[in-house]
Amino acid sequence: AQSVTQLGSHVSVSEGALVLLRCNYSSSVPPYLFWYVQYPNQGLQLLLKYTTGATLVKGINGFEAEFKKSETSFHLTKPSAHMSDAAEYFCAVSVSANQAGTALIFGKGTTLSVSS
Amino acid sequence: DAGVTQSPTHLIKTRGQQVTLRCSPKSGHDTVSWYQQALGQGPQFIFQYYEEEERQRGNFPDRFSGHQFPNYSSELNVNALLLGDSALYLCASSLEGGIEAFFGQGTRLTVV
Repeated sequence: AQSVTQLGSHVSVSEGALVLLRCNYSSSVPPYLFWYVQYPNQGLQLLLKYTTGATLVKGINGFEAEFKKSETSFHLTKPSAHMSDAAEYFCAVSVSANQAGTALIFGKGTTLSVSS
Repeated sequence: DAGVTQSPTHLIKTRGQQVTLRCSPKSGHDTVSWYQQALGQGPQFIFQYYEEEERQRGNFPDRFSGHQFPNYSSELNVNALLLGDSALYLCASSLEGGIEAFFGQGTRLTVV
């Protein structure tokens, strides 16, 4: 069965510092992987997704993630944090390669705090 | 494009009551999924509807049921509400066979 583990429930960085949010997955088939962001009292917004092909994926707001099959990881990074990046971040895996983007399995989330 | 819209945004119910939540998918999308997000947790998949039928279901009791209408909109019904049903309920729409799911703002349900 597919599963997602996000390491670190809370990450704090200074404005301008590197952001690194960790995600490891378990999947018996080639996975489709996603990062979503959630601001307070709002729904989820897709940051980026990995399906096939290039393992380094670029998303919105300067975020990127690298799919590493050997490490079963899909860590999210951003070179320079901005105050507006403070939010909850969720890593997710699709449970069916034939129906990607539906029936997502989510991690428990990582709260990113950015200080000035 | 209005995106995925959910109603109501908030509601309060009493234990044992029944509730219906509504979702209109993004224009052109034919598949609707529902998720429950408890406080401090990631969303958990409840079920998915396509062509007016439940296609996939997560680990939720039969108290949770749904419906999809010919215009692709959907309802989530929860019977015999428990305190533990208090959560943010998210609707997501996608194209059948598509990769990306678009989420609505959610409905915050509080059971007292």
